[in-house]
Amino acid sequence: QKEVEQNSGPLSVPEGAIASLNCTYSDRVSQSFFWYRQYSGKSPELIMSIYSNGDKEDGRFTAQLNKASQYVSLLIRDSQPSDSATYLCAVKGSARQLTFGSGTQLTVLP
Amino acid sequence: IAGITQAPTSQILAAGRRMTLRCTQDMRHNAMYWYRQDLGLGLRLIHYSNTAGTTGKGEVPDGYSVSRANTDDFPLTLASAVPSQTSVYFCASSDLAGGHTDTQYFGPGTRLTVL
Repeated sequence: QKEVEQNSGPLSVPEGAIASLNCTYSDRVSQSFFWYRQYSGKSPELIMSIYSNGDKEDGRFTAQLNKASQYVSLLIRDSQPSDSATYLCAVKGSARQLTFGSGTQLTVLP
Repeated sequence: IAGITQAPTSQILAAGRRMTLRCTQDMRHNAMYWYRQDLGLGLRLIHYSNTAGTTGKGEVPDGYSVSRANTDDFPLTLASAVPSQTSVYFCASSDLAGGHTDTQYFGPGTRLTVL
C-alpha cells in the first residue's frame, strides 16, 4: 500500500462545477497536510495547508481533513479552465518529511 | 526576488558521466530538498538537509550524493549516470521551524535525460 494515495484521474468537470480531489494516507501520526498545484511543465506550488480536523477555506478552495479516517480532500468551487492542472497531495508524517501522492490530473472544460 | 534557482534547465547526458545539478535559494531557509518526478510516481525524495552541514537520505538516494556547505546552496551529484536516472529533478526549500508550518517552495526543475 502506498503511503499517500490519490483518486485516480484524469478528472474532468465543466466550468463552474465543483471539483473534488481526494487523498488517503497510511501514517496515523501524520500532522501536516498540503495540496500543491502543478501546471504542465512547471514546478509544484502550494495551494492549501491544513493541520486540524475539519474544513479550511481560502477563496474558491476548501481543504477538508478527517484524521480518524486518514482522509484529506480538496474542493474547488466554481471551477475555471485555469484550474486545469495536476493536484498533488502531500503529507508530513512521523519521518518529518513530505510524502507525495502521484497526483490527480484535473481538466475544467469551458 | 528569485526564490529558488536551478541549473541547468535541461541536460542530455551520456551514461557513465558525472553530473552535478545546482540549486540556490535566497530565502535563508534552513532546510533544502531534492526530489525526482517520474510519470505516474509523483515526487520522490532523494536527499534532504535540515541545516547547513547536515544531510539525510530520502526514499530514493542510491546513485546520488549531496552536500550542504552553506545555507544557500544544495548541489545534487550523479557520480555515474544511468538511464533510470532520466527524470525531472526539483529542488525545494523550507523554513524548518520545528512545527508543522514548514511549507516547501520548489525551484523550476531540471529535466535530465541519460542516454
